[in-house]
Amino acid sequence: AQSVAQPEDQVNVAEGNPLTVKCTYSVSGNPYLFWYVQYPNRGLQFLLKYITGDNLVKGSYGFEAEFNKSQTSFHLKKPSALVSDSALYFCAVRDRVSNYQLIWGAGTKLIIKP
Amino acid sequence: NAGVTQTPKFQVLKTGQSMTLQCAQDMNHEYMSWYRQDPGMGLRLIHYSVGAGITDQGEVPNGYNVSRSTTEDFPLRLLSAAPSQTSVYFCASSYSVGEAFFGQGTRLTVV
Repeated sequence: AQSVAQPEDQVNVAEGNPLTVKCTYSVSGNPYLFWYVQYPNRGLQFLLKYITGDNLVKGSYGFEAEFNKSQTSFHLKKPSALVSDSALYFCAVRDRVSNYQLIWGAGTKLIIKP
Repeated sequence: NAGVTQTPKFQVLKTGQSMTLQCAQDMNHEYMSWYRQDPGMGLRLIHYSVGAGITDQGEVPNGYNVSRSTTEDFPLRLLSAAPSQTSVYFCASSYSVGEAFFGQGTRLTVV
């Protein structure tokens, strides 16, 4: 069955340090991969996506993600974390088998400490 | 540039009452979905639509109905509210393989 895993419920990073939020997936065929961010009491905002092409994709607010087909991963990264990056982050994937519906990870709470 | 508009933002219902959560998008997206978000549960798909006149059930459809008479609107109906339906509800729209755009959410409390 298709699934998305975010193995860490929470990630703590000091401001200025690099951050990584992990995502792995299990889908058939070629996936379409997404990262979203949710700030408290807000809706989800799109950060970046991988459809095809370069494995390293860049998105909003200085975030980037690397698609690794062999490891079926799509980890979110940022070279230097800001306190304002503290939020809930969701990984999601679409594929043809799911009729292109988004399959969501459980979310990772990112806390950036000053 | 409205995007996805959800109303109301907050609602309190008594058990057994019915109501409709409204969702409208102005991006001509064919895909629209309703999710609920509960603490520690992530997003769960309630119903979705791949075009006007076409709807289908998601992961947690019981107690909810939807219709899609136009491309723009996708209302979610709670037939007889129960405390278990206390949640935050999000509507989203997209093209088939693109990113989804979300409304700001409806915080529903059933007492």
